[in-house]
Amino acid sequence: SAVISQKPSRDICQRGTSLTIQCQVDSQVTMMFWYRQQPGQSLTLIATANQGSEATYESGFVIDKFPISRPNLTFSTLTVSNMSPEDSSIYLCSVGKTGDTEAFFGQGTRLTVV
Amino acid sequence: SQQGEEDPQALSIQEGENATMNCSYKTSINNLQWYRQNSGRGLVHLILIRSNEREKHSGRLRVTLDTSKKSSSLLITASRAADTASYFCAPQDSGTYKYIFGTGTRLKVLA
Repeated sequence: SAVISQKPSRDICQRGTSLTIQCQVDSQVTMMFWYRQQPGQSLTLIATANQGSEATYESGFVIDKFPISRPNLTFSTLTVSNMSPEDSSIYLCSVGKTGDTEAFFGQGTRLTVV
Repeated sequence: SQQGEEDPQALSIQEGENATMNCSYKTSINNLQWYRQNSGRGLVHLILIRSNEREKHSGRLRVTLDTSKKSSSLLITASRAADTASYFCAPQDSGTYKYIFGTGTRLKVLA
């Protein structure tokens, strides 16, 4: 298994500002992903965080808005830039230890933009 | 875009009845996972079924997988009020290893 620590757990931010969310795993993992869950909706994949290279973004998500870093096999950050109220969501970090394996999730960051 | 589509979107049953949720997906997969999420809470992993498996059981849960039809089902037997939650399927794409969540089924079990 993998234990994921995600920080902050929640935040209220002013529009136009940026927030960086951290994801720390207790062991090395192959795969790290960032998801967004808007109120009442399912999880939408934002991007795959690649160790030592640029993240791979899903359709509708761009690096300027959601820059991602992954400096090593246990840590990643997601920044939500130039926030607007539409960015109010839960943001979740997910990891997989090997290719064909269970996905483990952090508890999420509940972001409210006012 | 969502790879998994689930139906029904919402399901309301009486305690003791069985609940069945279906998931369809679009590409080749390594495995498919089912998660539960209580309102305002985190995801709870229920069960993982691999692409070479057809059926798997865990307690009151039974999951089936038909890779030829690209579909899976989750059966909860003898449901309880505590089973009230949203249920999501998440197939893992075999090429990219990404987990793409389905739209979810909101289950309500009435006492």
